[in-house]
Amino acid sequence: DTAVSQTPKYLVTQMGNDKSIKCEQNLGHDTMYWYKQDSKKFLKIMFSYNNKELIINETVPNRFSPKSPDKAHLNLHINSLELGDSAVYFCASSKRGGRGDTGELFFGEGSRLTVL
Amino acid sequence: DQQVKQNSPSLSVQEGRISILNCDYTNSMFDYFLWYKKYPAEGPTFLISISSIKDKNEDGRFTVFLNKSAKHLSLHIVPSQPGDSAVYFCAASATNFGNEKLTFGTGTRLTIIP
Repeated sequence: DTAVSQTPKYLVTQMGNDKSIKCEQNLGHDTMYWYKQDSKKFLKIMFSYNNKELIINETVPNRFSPKSPDKAHLNLHINSLELGDSAVYFCASSKRGGRGDTGELFFGEGSRLTVL
Repeated sequence: DQQVKQNSPSLSVQEGRISILNCDYTNSMFDYFLWYKKYPAEGPTFLISISSIKDKNEDGRFTVFLNKSAKHLSLHIVPSQPGDSAVYFCAASATNFGNEKLTFGTGTRLTIIP
């Protein structure tokens, strides 16, 4: 029973297309994230949502639009795909406390996006 | 601007010996540090963490050491086992801002030689 699941695991598409990656967590966590791991292996945060509210947006192009229909789901839609968008995208979730909370992140398996 | 650095992309260690993975950080506001382990085609999984009020945290075969003055932390695995072969990511956060944002290093690939 997967705690954080994301689909699809692999996605190959042409430049200019629009695609979505879906993420669901069954841990009852309040906070969900999208991280991007690029070709240099940097794992960088893109977005964070807490109870459907956007709390982190890390200078990501407007072509990337996260959507959180409820606190168990955080989807990522990408418009007008570019070659540089090729990466592995990881969804994650965590409990969220207040100041000083140090809840660990639980990651999904990743979605490898290849833009041709 | 790489605030968390893992300067060794790879490390090979004989089974049964000690594995030492290193991590350096530049942001003095970081006060909580974590190590994640990642197998191929899987997401990173939490391994061990340490708060800046401590200089050591131990969990079974895994120990993390923190040297705040040097802005350096290390993960020790002893004894190393074949199942420890994976990529290890160091991560840091400034908990005064909550746990929303972890900054990761680029990872060290550990290979345990049987």
